[in-house]
Amino acid sequence: EVQLVESGGVVVQPGGSLRLSCAASGFTFDDYAMHWVRQAPGKGLEWVSLISWDGGSTYYADSVKGRFTISRDNSKNSLYLQMNSLRAEDTALYYCAKDRLDGYTDGDAFDIWGQGTMVTVSS
Amino acid sequence: EIVLTQSPATLSLSPGERATLSCRASQSVSSYLAWYQQKPGQAPRLLIYDASNRATGIPARFSGSGSGTDFTLTISSLEPEDFAVYYCQQRSNSITFGQGTRLEIK
Repeated sequence: EVQLVESGGVVVQPGGSLRLSCAASGFTFDDYAMHWVRQAPGKGLEWVSLISWDGGSTYYADSVKGRFTISRDNSKNSLYLQMNSLRAEDTALYYCAKDRLDGYTDGDAFDIWGQGTMVTVSS
Repeated sequence: EIVLTQSPATLSLSPGERATLSCRASQSVSSYLAWYQQKPGQAPRLLIYDASNRATGIPARFSGSGSGTDFTLTISSLEPEDFAVYYCQQRSNSITFGQGTRLEIK
């Protein structure tokens, strides 16, 4: 079964840091680019970041550029999001998502999603 | 940034009716547009990619059309499980989503 399982979401103070993880199974992880997408409570979807299949290319939304870092460990079938200088507006459910296309892509559609991990930034 | 505007914000229909959802881009995205369905408490599900291609396992009652700046998701005959929020997403220039259309039971 193809599956993505996120973890690491907690309540953190403004200015704090956090690392999210996503464990992948059921597909050849190192064939695909991967994404983080977030959803604030009661709001719509916002793309956060993309990493290429080999980790060699990364892209970020302007709202997180310079504060968040996406990475992956293909030997562990895992995706990560390091989040620094957190703000109240970063409060959201963070989804890990698989890109539809294999090989190199600068982003396509998201065909597999995890169930998300909740990050709350509050004092 | 390419802004996607979805209309209507809320659509009230009955099972068996035809649903037509719109997504308009602030500049051309060619055919690089996808549609997702999200039910309460669940992750989004990919329905359509590249404007008109159904994703794996998606029923034939879902269809997508359009190119450039104007796109449509059509559900030919609504089933009870189709009532949900629908989002469009472009990948022509970075990645952005529309604000969503809520499809509710009339």
